[in-house]
Amino acid sequence: DAGVIQSPRHEVTEMGQEVTLRCKPISGHNSLFWYRQTMMRGLELLIYFNNNVPIDDSGMPEDRFSAKMPNASFSTLKIQPSEPRDSAVYFCASSFLSRRIGSYTFGSGTRLTVV
Amino acid sequence: GENVEQHPSTLSVQEGDSAVIKCTYSDSASNYFPWYKQELGKGPQLIIDIRSNVGEKKDQRIAVTLNKTAKHFSLHITETQPEDSAVYFCAANLDTGFQKLVFGTGTRLLVSP
Repeated sequence: DAGVIQSPRHEVTEMGQEVTLRCKPISGHNSLFWYRQTMMRGLELLIYFNNNVPIDDSGMPEDRFSAKMPNASFSTLKIQPSEPRDSAVYFCASSFLSRRIGSYTFGSGTRLTVV
Repeated sequence: GENVEQHPSTLSVQEGDSAVIKCTYSDSASNYFPWYKQELGKGPQLIIDIRSNVGEKKDQRIAVTLNKTAKHFSLHITETQPEDSAVYFCAANLDTGFQKLVFGTGTRLLVSP
């Protein structure tokens, strides 16, 4: 398995532009998580999906952020409009959750810079 | 909700020494405790995990101990090597109807040759 695949690896955009981050989870995993990592706040859970349904989006900073999971093999995180304070590394992770919680597998992340 | 505290935030050791990172959690219902290693420019990678039905688990130079009564667990790395230098995160599960992991704030480990 190729693991969790994220694209792009790096994104530099101007303030006000729309940014879309993409994630392909591990085949067979039924849960997907979007995290943001910064020096100040560490790893923050933004949103997570179970069987393609958003379960908890309480970590999404504001309405400028949105996430979708149209099918079991693809998810997007969109920021519109982007702001310099959105600069961070965004990670996607997937897991298989049943009665027992399973470990998370993280992607390599997308480093977003908003100038 | 679950709160996971991790100490120390930074740890410097000499090659060959042991390193210990400690975490405490607040939710007594937590029963799964993974540890992740994050190298520069990469995502966190699972290195070892433990469930609450055991008190200790070992994998070569890495071991994790769990004290459910005190609600703390620790990562032990023996015979450290420079390639062990990374940021280490502990986590504990939280059941809110759907289970999720709550991560500690991370420990930056530096192993000097």
